[in-house]
Amino acid sequence: AQKVTQAQTEISVVEKEDVTLDCVYETRDTTYYLFWYKQPPSGELVFLIRRNSFDEQNEISGRYSWNFQKSTSSFNFTITASQVVDSAVYFCALSEAQRNNDMRFGAGTRLTVKP
Amino acid sequence: DGGITQSPKYLFRKEGQNVTLSCEQNLNHDAMYWYRQDPGQGLRLIYYSQIVNDFQKGDIAEGYSVSREKKESFPLTVTSAQKNPTAFYLCASHSRGGGYTFGSGTRLTVV
Repeated sequence: AQKVTQAQTEISVVEKEDVTLDCVYETRDTTYYLFWYKQPPSGELVFLIRRNSFDEQNEISGRYSWNFQKSTSSFNFTITASQVVDSAVYFCALSEAQRNNDMRFGAGTRLTVKP
Repeated sequence: DGGITQSPKYLFRKEGQNVTLSCEQNLNHDAMYWYRQDPGQGLRLIYYSQIVNDFQKGDIAEGYSVSREKKESFPLTVTSAQKNPTAFYLCASHSRGGGYTFGSGTRLTVV
Protein backbone atom coordinates (compact mmCIF):
# COMPACT_ATOMS: atom_id res chain seq x y z
CA ALA A 1 0.00 0.00 0.00
CA GLN A 2 1.19 3.50 -0.77
CA LYS A 3 2.55 4.95 2.43
CA VAL A 4 3.15 8.51 1.27
CA THR A 5 1.16 10.25 -1.45
CA GLN A 6 2.19 13.45 -3.11
CA ALA A 7 -0.62 13.99 -5.56
CA GLN A 8 0.95 17.01 -7.26
CA THR A 9 3.49 15.76 -9.78
CA GLU A 10 4.50 19.20 -11.03
CA ILE A 11 3.72 22.75 -9.95
CA SER A 12 4.70 25.92 -11.74
CA VAL A 13 4.42 29.35 -10.15
CA VAL A 14 5.69 32.83 -10.80
CA GLU A 15 8.23 34.31 -8.42
CA LYS A 16 6.75 35.83 -5.25
CA GLU A 17 3.68 33.62 -5.36
CA ASP A 18 2.91 31.40 -2.39
CA VAL A 19 2.78 27.67 -3.09
CA THR A 20 1.65 24.68 -1.03
CA LEU A 21 2.93 21.17 -1.59
CA ASP A 22 0.60 18.46 -0.37
CA CYS A 23 1.56 15.27 1.44
CA VAL A 24 -0.81 12.59 2.69
CA TYR A 25 0.52 9.59 4.59
CA GLU A 26 -0.77 6.25 5.75
CA THR A 27 0.32 4.40 8.88
CA ARG A 28 -1.04 2.24 11.67
CA ASP A 29 1.88 3.05 13.89
CA THR A 30 1.32 5.51 16.73
CA THR A 31 4.96 6.55 16.72
CA TYR A 32 6.26 7.88 13.46
CA TYR A 33 8.19 10.72 11.87
CA LEU A 34 7.44 12.83 8.86
CA PHE A 35 10.04 14.58 6.76
CA TRP A 36 10.39 17.00 3.90
CA TYR A 37 13.47 16.97 1.68
CA LYS A 38 14.49 19.22 -1.20
CA GLN A 39 16.35 17.76 -4.18
CA PRO A 40 17.98 20.39 -6.40
CA PRO A 41 19.28 19.46 -9.87
CA SER A 42 22.58 18.33 -8.35
CA GLY A 43 20.72 15.34 -6.91
CA GLU A 44 21.68 15.63 -3.28
CA LEU A 45 18.83 15.50 -0.78
CA VAL A 46 18.61 18.52 1.48
CA PHE A 47 16.86 17.98 4.79
CA LEU A 48 14.16 20.57 5.53
CA ILE A 49 12.19 19.35 8.51
CA ARG A 50 11.36 16.39 10.72
CA ARG A 51 8.17 16.19 12.74
CA ASN A 52 7.24 13.40 15.16
CA SER A 53 3.73 12.03 15.51
CA PHE A 54 3.23 13.50 18.96
CA ASP A 55 3.91 17.05 17.93
CA GLU A 56 1.18 18.61 15.82
CA GLN A 57 2.43 22.12 16.29
CA ASN A 58 2.84 23.91 13.01
CA GLU A 59 6.27 25.24 12.26
CA ILE A 60 7.59 28.25 10.42
CA SER A 61 11.15 28.71 9.29
CA GLY A 62 11.68 31.84 7.28
CA ARG A 63 9.63 31.53 4.10
CA TYR A 64 8.86 27.87 4.82
CA SER A 65 5.98 26.61 6.93
CA TRP A 66 4.54 23.19 7.62
CA ASN A 67 0.99 22.20 8.57
CA PHE A 68 0.74 18.81 10.28
CA GLN A 69 -2.80 17.48 10.78
CA LYS A 70 -3.18 13.97 12.15
CA SER A 71 -6.94 14.07 11.65
CA THR A 72 -6.45 14.16 7.89
CA SER A 73 -3.04 12.38 7.86
CA SER A 74 -1.50 15.31 6.07
CA PHE A 75 1.78 17.15 6.35
CA ASN A 76 1.66 20.03 3.89
CA PHE A 77 4.52 22.36 3.07
CA THR A 78 4.06 26.01 2.11
CA ILE A 79 6.64 28.30 0.57
CA THR A 80 5.77 31.96 0.93
CA ALA A 81 6.98 34.51 -1.63
CA SER A 82 8.63 31.83 -3.75
CA GLN A 83 11.99 32.46 -5.39
CA VAL A 84 13.67 30.97 -8.45
CA VAL A 85 16.13 29.18 -6.14
CA ASP A 86 13.21 27.23 -4.68
CA SER A 87 12.92 25.32 -7.96
CA ALA A 88 13.57 21.67 -7.14
CA VAL A 89 11.88 18.38 -6.49
CA TYR A 90 10.42 18.15 -3.00
CA PHE A 91 9.90 14.83 -1.25
CA CYS A 92 7.75 13.99 1.71
CA ALA A 93 8.77 10.88 3.67
CA LEU A 94 7.47 8.72 6.51
CA SER A 95 9.48 6.77 9.06
CA GLU A 96 7.65 4.29 11.30
CA ALA A 97 8.98 2.95 14.58
CA GLN A 98 7.48 -0.49 13.91
CA ARG A 99 9.39 -0.70 10.64
CA ASN A 100 12.76 -0.03 12.22
CA ASN A 101 12.48 3.59 11.18
CA ASP A 102 13.36 2.99 7.55
CA MET A 103 12.05 5.88 5.50
CA ARG A 104 9.41 5.60 2.78
CA PHE A 105 9.24 8.42 0.27
CA GLY A 106 6.48 9.93 -1.79
CA ALA A 107 6.96 10.24 -5.53
CA GLY A 108 7.94 13.87 -5.20
CA THR A 109 6.61 17.18 -6.49
CA ARG A 110 8.64 19.12 -9.04
CA LEU A 111 8.35 22.82 -8.30
CA THR A 112 9.32 25.35 -10.96
CA VAL A 113 9.45 28.99 -9.98
CA LYS A 114 9.59 31.29 -12.97
CA PRO A 115 11.06 34.80 -12.78
CA ASP B 1 33.05 17.75 9.00
CA GLY B 2 30.90 14.69 9.55
CA GLY B 3 28.96 13.29 6.69
CA ILE B 4 28.42 10.55 4.15
CA THR B 5 30.72 9.98 1.22
CA GLN B 6 29.51 8.10 -1.80
CA SER B 7 31.83 7.10 -4.60
CA PRO B 8 32.11 7.19 -7.47
CA LYS B 9 29.83 10.03 -8.50
CA TYR B 10 29.34 8.48 -11.95
CA LEU B 11 29.70 4.79 -12.80
CA PHE B 12 29.34 2.95 -16.07
CA ARG B 13 28.67 -0.76 -16.18
CA LYS B 14 28.73 -3.18 -19.04
CA GLU B 15 26.01 -5.75 -19.44
CA GLY B 16 26.61 -8.75 -17.19
CA GLN B 17 29.08 -7.03 -14.88
CA ASN B 18 28.86 -6.66 -11.15
CA VAL B 19 29.70 -3.24 -9.76
CA THR B 20 30.08 -2.00 -6.21
CA LEU B 21 29.01 1.41 -4.96
CA SER B 22 30.81 2.75 -1.93
CA CYS B 23 29.17 4.46 1.05
CA GLU B 24 31.19 5.64 4.03
CA GLN B 25 30.00 7.66 7.02
CA ASN B 26 31.88 9.26 9.92
CA LEU B 27 28.80 10.23 11.87
CA ASN B 28 28.89 7.20 14.18
CA HIS B 29 25.38 6.31 13.02
CA ASP B 30 24.19 2.77 13.62
CA ALA B 31 21.69 2.55 10.76
CA MET B 32 22.50 2.84 7.07
CA TYR B 33 20.30 2.65 3.98
CA TRP B 34 20.47 2.34 0.22
CA TYR B 35 17.83 3.91 -2.00
CA ARG B 36 17.31 3.83 -5.72
CA GLN B 37 15.81 6.76 -7.65
CA ASP B 38 14.57 6.50 -11.22
CA PRO B 39 13.90 9.60 -13.34
CA GLY B 40 10.76 11.40 -12.25
CA GLN B 41 10.19 9.04 -9.37
CA GLY B 42 10.66 8.92 -5.66
CA LEU B 43 13.23 6.94 -3.73
CA ARG B 44 12.75 3.23 -3.19
CA LEU B 45 14.47 1.31 -0.42
CA ILE B 46 16.89 -1.42 -1.55
CA TYR B 47 18.56 -2.57 1.67
CA TYR B 48 19.09 -1.28 5.16
CA SER B 49 21.25 -2.16 8.12
CA GLN B 50 20.47 -1.32 11.72
CA ILE B 51 23.73 -2.65 13.13
CA VAL B 52 27.07 -4.09 12.08
CA ASN B 53 26.90 -7.59 10.55
CA ASP B 54 23.15 -7.36 10.07
CA PHE B 55 21.08 -6.10 7.17
CA GLN B 56 17.54 -6.41 5.85
CA LYS B 57 15.95 -6.36 2.41
CA GLY B 58 13.95 -3.33 1.44
CA ASP B 59 11.25 -3.10 -1.20
CA ILE B 60 13.43 -3.78 -4.26
CA ALA B 61 16.36 -5.95 -3.09
CA GLU B 62 16.41 -8.37 -6.03
CA GLY B 63 19.61 -8.11 -8.01
CA TYR B 64 21.46 -6.28 -5.24
CA SER B 65 23.67 -7.35 -2.35
CA VAL B 66 25.20 -5.52 0.61
CA SER B 67 27.59 -6.09 3.48
CA ARG B 68 28.08 -4.33 6.80
CA GLU B 69 31.40 -5.46 8.20
CA LYS B 70 32.19 -2.06 9.70
CA LYS B 71 29.94 0.56 11.24
CA GLU B 72 31.29 3.19 8.87
CA SER B 73 30.81 1.30 5.63
CA PHE B 74 27.79 -0.07 3.76
CA PRO B 75 28.78 -0.97 0.18
CA LEU B 76 26.13 -1.91 -2.37
CA THR B 77 26.84 -4.40 -5.15
CA VAL B 78 24.68 -4.26 -8.24
CA THR B 79 24.82 -7.76 -9.67
CA SER B 80 24.23 -9.00 -13.19
CA ALA B 81 20.87 -10.28 -11.96
CA GLN B 82 19.63 -6.69 -11.78
CA LYS B 83 18.11 -6.30 -15.23
CA ASN B 84 17.58 -2.55 -15.17
CA PRO B 85 20.32 -1.05 -13.02
CA THR B 86 20.52 2.39 -14.63
CA ALA B 87 19.45 4.77 -11.88
CA PHE B 88 20.60 7.25 -9.26
CA TYR B 89 21.64 5.57 -6.00
CA LEU B 90 21.55 7.34 -2.66
CA CYS B 91 23.02 6.16 0.61
CA ALA B 92 21.79 7.45 3.97
CA SER B 93 22.53 6.98 7.64
CA HIS B 94 20.49 7.57 10.73
CA SER B 95 21.00 7.80 14.46
CA ARG B 96 18.27 6.73 16.84
CA GLY B 97 16.29 9.79 17.77
CA GLY B 98 18.13 11.87 15.22
CA GLY B 99 17.77 12.82 11.62
CA TYR B 100 18.79 11.14 8.43
CA THR B 101 21.83 12.21 6.46
CA PHE B 102 22.17 11.49 2.75
CA GLY B 103 25.20 11.20 0.54
CA SER B 104 25.49 13.03 -2.75
CA GLY B 105 24.61 9.95 -4.79
CA THR B 106 26.07 7.73 -7.50
CA ARG B 107 24.66 7.79 -11.00
CA LEU B 108 24.96 4.33 -12.54
CA THR B 109 24.58 3.82 -16.27
CA VAL B 110 24.64 0.56 -18.20
CA VAL B 111 26.51 0.83 -21.48
